[in-house]
Amino acid sequence: KAGVTQTPRYLIKTRGQQVTLSCSPISGHRSVSWYQQTPGQGLQFLFEYFSETQRNKGNFPGRFSGRQFSNSRSEMNVSTLELGDSALYLCASRRVAGGPNEQFFGPGTRLTVL
Amino acid sequence: AQRVTQPEKLLSVFKGAPVELKCNYSYSGSPELFWYVQYSRQRLQLLLRHISRESIKGFTADLNKGETSFHLKKPFAQEEDSAMYYCALSGSGNTGKLIFGQGTTLQVKP
Repeated sequence: KAGVTQTPRYLIKTRGQQVTLSCSPISGHRSVSWYQQTPGQGLQFLFEYFSETQRNKGNFPGRFSGRQFSNSRSEMNVSTLELGDSALYLCASRRVAGGPNEQFFGPGTRLTVL
Repeated sequence: AQRVTQPEKLLSVFKGAPVELKCNYSYSGSPELFWYVQYSRQRLQLLLRHISRESIKGFTADLNKGETSFHLKKPFAQEEDSAMYYCALSGSGNTGKLIFGQGTTLQVKP
């Protein structure tokens, strides 16, 4: 079974621009969660989507948003990029019903903001 | 406040020595606790869940609600255990929100 995939793997943007990252979950997984990983703050939860609805949200500004499509694929968007948004963005998928509460992580998208 | 604390950034042991990676948590309720591992150039993957109470790759972890701890242990470390280990907490209610500790790098020397 194919794992969680994320595109693109690397991205360079400048301050003020916006960016969209994509995540394709494992087949049959209906929940997608997003995390930001930085050396200073570690792994921080951004939000979770399930059945095209945001279920949980972390403590990030409104510039960070996401959505989920009917095929469970998810995108996250960051508008008006700041230097501090440079990070590895991970997504994780889980089945939700009928299985253990285990999240499977993608390889991440490395975002650099110049 | 929900928090996971891993007090050691780096733990260095010799091959064959016992290993204990510490994890303490703060949560008002019944959390679900996990250990995730990230080997060099690989993605983050689940190692253990407290609910399953199993041993994976020789590692075990017991949830101690009185001490709010979930320490990861292995009696004899192997070089291939060298990796970054994260303790994580999930709240009740079948949520996909994980709260991670800062991680501990385990270095097993030959």
